[in-house]
Amino acid sequence: AQSVTQPDIHITVSEGASLELRCNYSYGATPYLFWYVQSPGQGLQLLLKYFSGDTLVQGIKGFEAEFKRSQSSFNLRKPSVHWSDAAEYFCAVVGYYGGSQGNLIFGKGTKLSVKP
Amino acid sequence: GAGVSQTPSNKVTEKGKYVELRCDPISGHTALYWYRQSLGQGPEFLIYFQGTGAADDSGLPNDRFFAVRPEGSVSTLKIQRTERGDSAVYLCASSRGLANDNEQFFGPGTRLTVL
Repeated sequence: AQSVTQPDIHITVSEGASLELRCNYSYGATPYLFWYVQSPGQGLQLLLKYFSGDTLVQGIKGFEAEFKRSQSSFNLRKPSVHWSDAAEYFCAVVGYYGGSQGNLIFGKGTKLSVKP
Repeated sequence: GAGVSQTPSNKVTEKGKYVELRCDPISGHTALYWYRQSLGQGPEFLIYFQGTGAADDSGLPNDRFFAVRPEGSVSTLKIQRTERGDSAVYLCASSRGLANDNEQFFGPGTRLTVL
């Protein structure tokens, strides 16, 4: 069965510093991968997604992620973090049912805190 | 346009009571999903609909949970004989269809507290 692991529960970075959030997935074929952000009281917002093609994916708010099949990873990066990036970040993979999109399978999330 | 809306935003109930949670998807979206997010966890799949029919309800934890989407738009998640362990945020999402690259748009959730 598919699964997603986010090894870091909580990360603190200084404003302006670079950021990398880790995500590892378990899936036999080429996965469909997503990163979502959840701010307090807000719904989940899609940052970026990977389906095929270029393994470096650009998203909104200056985020990018790189798909590495050999490492079963899809790490999220940002070169310079802003205080407004403080939130919880979720990596997810599509669950397959007969070839059509079913549910998303989420990791447990990484909470990002930003120091001034 | 309007996003996915969920009502109520908060629901407090007593153990053993019945509750209904409503989801209003984005207009024109045929696929609708329900997830449950417990404290400190990522969202976990409950059920999804394509149109009016439940395409997959394998995530429903037991037969106390039921969801409907009678007209292919609004959906209601129903929980009978609530238990304290049902306390969580219930998220609804919709997408244009079931194609793999269709983005799921999430509502703000309903926070259910069972006392």
